[in-house]
Amino acid sequence: GDSVTQMEGPVTLSEEAFLTINCTYTATGYPSLFWYVQYPGEGLQLLLKATKADDKGSNKGFEATYRKETTSFHLEKGSVQVSDSAVYFCALMWNSGGGADGLTFGKGTHLIIQP
Amino acid sequence: DSGVTQTPKHLITATGQRVTLRCSPRSGDLSVYWYQQSLDQGLQFLIQYYNGEERAKGNILERFSAQQFPDLHSELNLSSLELGDSALYFCASSVEAAPSYEQYFGPGTRLTVT
Repeated sequence: GDSVTQMEGPVTLSEEAFLTINCTYTATGYPSLFWYVQYPGEGLQLLLKATKADDKGSNKGFEATYRKETTSFHLEKGSVQVSDSAVYFCALMWNSGGGADGLTFGKGTHLIIQP
Repeated sequence: DSGVTQTPKHLITATGQRVTLRCSPRSGDLSVYWYQQSLDQGLQFLIQYYNGEERAKGNILERFSAQQFPDLHSELNLSSLELGDSALYFCASSVEAAPSYEQYFGPGTRLTVT
């Protein structure tokens, strides 16, 4: 079945460092890809998404590009802030019927930014 | 605030019992999703409803069931509870049941089975 693999962390960085969180997926086809963020004690929030190959999603300085050749959707940010500390989830979802239409999530990456 | 509400916030119950979790979607959203977040299994999709009809099933146990009512709120029923059912249960809603429509997550219900 479909699966999403991401580094689990915790990932600890200093403020203003460059961030990469790797995400790869296994699926028969081309799903839509997402990054969600979960702050302590809160529900998940959509950070960015890409619905087809070579699309780049971006939001709040974060970016990720849908690479079908490497089945990857790595999350990057040029300069992280303490407020970026959270758990980040990579996820996929299918574009049309058949099978489960909910999100399939990776296990989450706990990001800690130190001042 | 996502606009999705879930009640109760916390629930503590004993093994073998039955509980009902409630979700009110954002105004205008027709689709409701239920997810379970546990340390063992991570975040898993359980079930989806769209405008009152079951649309898709994920890793939902037979002991669990859900429904969506005419006013579009949804309830997740968990029965014959086991220790392993202890988890955070999230509800999410979207306008339509498709990836191009963002899913908005509620704050979750934390279930503890003792």
